[in-house]
Amino acid sequence: TAGITQAPTSQILAAGRSMTLRCTQDMRHNAMYWYRQDLGLGLRLIHYSNTAGTTGKGEVPDGYSVSRANTDDFPLTLASAVPSQTSVYFCASSDSGGSINEQFFGPGTRLTVL
Amino acid sequence: GQNIDQPTEMTATEGAIVQINCTYQTSGFNGLFWYQQHAGEAPTFLSYNVLDGLEEKGRFSSFLSRSKGYSYLLLKELQMKDSASYLCAVNNDYKLSFGAGTTVTVRA
Repeated sequence: TAGITQAPTSQILAAGRSMTLRCTQDMRHNAMYWYRQDLGLGLRLIHYSNTAGTTGKGEVPDGYSVSRANTDDFPLTLASAVPSQTSVYFCASSDSGGSINEQFFGPGTRLTVL
Repeated sequence: GQNIDQPTEMTATEGAIVQINCTYQTSGFNGLFWYQQHAGEAPTFLSYNVLDGLEEKGRFSSFLSRSKGYSYLLLKELQMKDSASYLCAVNNDYKLSFGAGTTVTVRA
C-alpha cells in the first residue's frame, strides 16, 4: 500500500507563475489536509476537506486553492506564486470515522519561489 | 486563536530519559497528538490523549491534563534514532493545530 503520495518532490518556481501540487491517497480516507511547514513556525493548515465535494479554509489559506473531486485526490494550486510561499508542503489524510483519527502524512513537496 | 507552546530544543544522552512539555490554549479541544518527524521526512504518529492521564506505548509515554492545558511526551531509554523533532498538536473538530516542534538531539 502506497499510503499518500505527493508530486513533485521539489520544485523551483518563478514568482508570478502558477503551480499545482498533487496529492493522492489510497487508504479511502474521507478527510484530507494541506499544511505548510516553515522553520520556527511548525505546521500550519492551509485548506482541508472533510469529504469529497467539500473544502474548507485553514489558518493560512490566502494565495492557495484546492478542489476535491473524488476521495483519493486533493490538489493544491498556487495561482500566482510569491516568494513568501517558499516552504515545504505536506498533504495528510485521516479517517474521521476512526477511534483516534490520526492524520497520515505524505512525504512532502519542497517549493522554492524566486 | 490557537496557542501551543513547546521548547525549541533539548539534548540528552543515549539511555537517558527526556520529557518534552507542551502547553496549549485553544478555542476547542478534542484531543492531543504527538508526532515524530525526522529531518527531511514526514511526521509520523506517536500517541494520542483524549482523557486525562498517562498513555504508555513501549519506550514512549504521553500525559494529558485538560484542566491545566498541559501535556508531556516522555521518551525513555533514549536511542540515537530518537534524534528528531517532536510535534505537539491539538485536535479541534478534526483539524490539527501544531506547536513549532521540539528538536531532540541524542548524544552518545
